Amino acid sequence: QTVVTQEPSFSVSPGGTVTLTCGLSSGSVSTSYYPSWYQQTPGQAPRTLIYNTISRSSGVPDRFSGSILGNKAALTITGAQADDESDYYCVLYMGSGIWVFGGGTKLTVL
Amino acid sequence: QVQLVQSGAEVKKPGASVKVSCKASGYTFTSYGISWVRQAPGQGLEWMGWISAYNGNTKYAQKLQGRVTMITDRSTSTAYMELRSLGSDDTAVYYCARGPHSYNSGWYYFDYWGQGTLVTVSS
Repeated sequence: QTVVTQEPSFSVSPGGTVTLTCGLSSGSVSTSYYPSWYQQTPGQAPRTLIYNTISRSSGVPDRFSGSILGNKAALTITGAQADDESDYYCVLYMGSGIWVFGGGTKLTVL
Repeated sequence: QVQLVQSGAEVKKPGASVKVSCKASGYTFTSYGISWVRQAPGQGLEWMGWISAYNGNTKYAQKLQGRVTMITDRSTSTAYMELRSLGSDDTAVYYCARGPHSYNSGWYYFDYWGQGTLVTVSS
């Protein structure tokens, strides 16, 4: 059973930088998993932020960036703003039409 | 513009089935696939399965195998997800999301999402 791991919660000060990560319970995340990231605020559908590890979805501010850091995928928010306070989910593609979500990270901006 | 519009909220009794629809517009339906994702109250997102609108190929999450069926109606550009033998832990918001049309498309993410459908299972 593949488990995708994320920090349950994170806090960042307004204007600060935060990096959220997305790992595997067994093994390393690489670009071959095509990691993508989604932002969700309460009561709303998810919004696509990053796909194929580093590509920003249309309309996403450039303060959001994706990368591979060590053995994990990462989402970095540079210059955090109050409306970045959301839940963030990574998804890994396992091949053969199967995706797995991470448990999500609740980001607080204060 | 691309839109995925889902059917309305449902209340079902334990043991019943539910069928949620997702009507696509603004793009060529058969050039993409649809994944279904659910979110139980206060919980994270869970991928349920994928269907290619191109050829009808499906893939389901292992834990739902045997209880879920995904189909598409190309004549109306609509995807459907049916979940059977409902239990209280199936209470969730169900989302459809646009994705690739094949296993080997070269891109593997969800770019547009439906608004969500709340399914409540209660006796």
